[in-house]
Amino acid sequence: QSVLTQPPSVSGAPGQRVIISCSGSSSNIGAAYDVHWYQQLPGTAPKLLIYDNKNRPSGVPDRISASKSGTSASLAITGLQAEDEADYYCQSYDSSLSGVVFGGGTKLTVL
Amino acid sequence: EVQLVQSGAEVKKPGESLKISCKGSGYSFINYWIGWVRQMPGKGLEWMGIIYPGDSDTRCSPSFQGQVTMSVDKSINTAYLQWSSLKASDTAMFYCARVVADSIGYGAFDIWGQGTMVTVSS
Repeated sequence: QSVLTQPPSVSGAPGQRVIISCSGSSSNIGAAYDVHWYQQLPGTAPKLLIYDNKNRPSGVPDRISASKSGTSASLAITGLQAEDEADYYCQSYDSSLSGVVFGGGTKLTVL
Repeated sequence: EVQLVQSGAEVKKPGESLKISCKGSGYSFINYWIGWVRQMPGKGLEWMGIIYPGDSDTRCSPSFQGQVTMSVDKSINTAYLQWSSLKASDTAMFYCARVVADSIGYGAFDIWGQGTMVTVSS
């Protein structure tokens, strides 16, 4: 059971918008620790999508965005494309565990 | 080009030892924390710990404390993850990753290695 809770799966049709949630607690997201998001395409290493809650590394398209509020964070992908089909993970720091924690991951299916 | 290149896949028997590597290039290796992440077959990402190549300062997840050893050889820009006695349950993909410029090591991982698959089977 992951410290950060993500839905196991989400889906959407091409062109639509999907949101992936990441629910934490007062010892991680709620304690103002930053949230980061990764995309993992099948058979490849994870790739950084969002760092420090809402910032995109160079090369990540602006149809990908993220936000944080209270003890939760969310990743939004608009204009869904077939190439977005992947697993997505959130990450933060947990003061109770004194270490980094990942969400359990969400599989995005493009219908 | 900034990159981390990991050693190749390994097949080992229970009880054997193993050391896998992660070589950084294209940046100042000693100035960025390196983390290790486990991904068991069909499962999610698990943070194992981080090491700072500059002084070998190490932070380890309680879940992996005593199970693995992280080390670096800064003369060759290489980080290592090692086991003294493997178990079948160690079968997984292991990734090394660079932490973004961050003084305490718990930031985002901006550069990832390609992963090293470790299979432990009798």
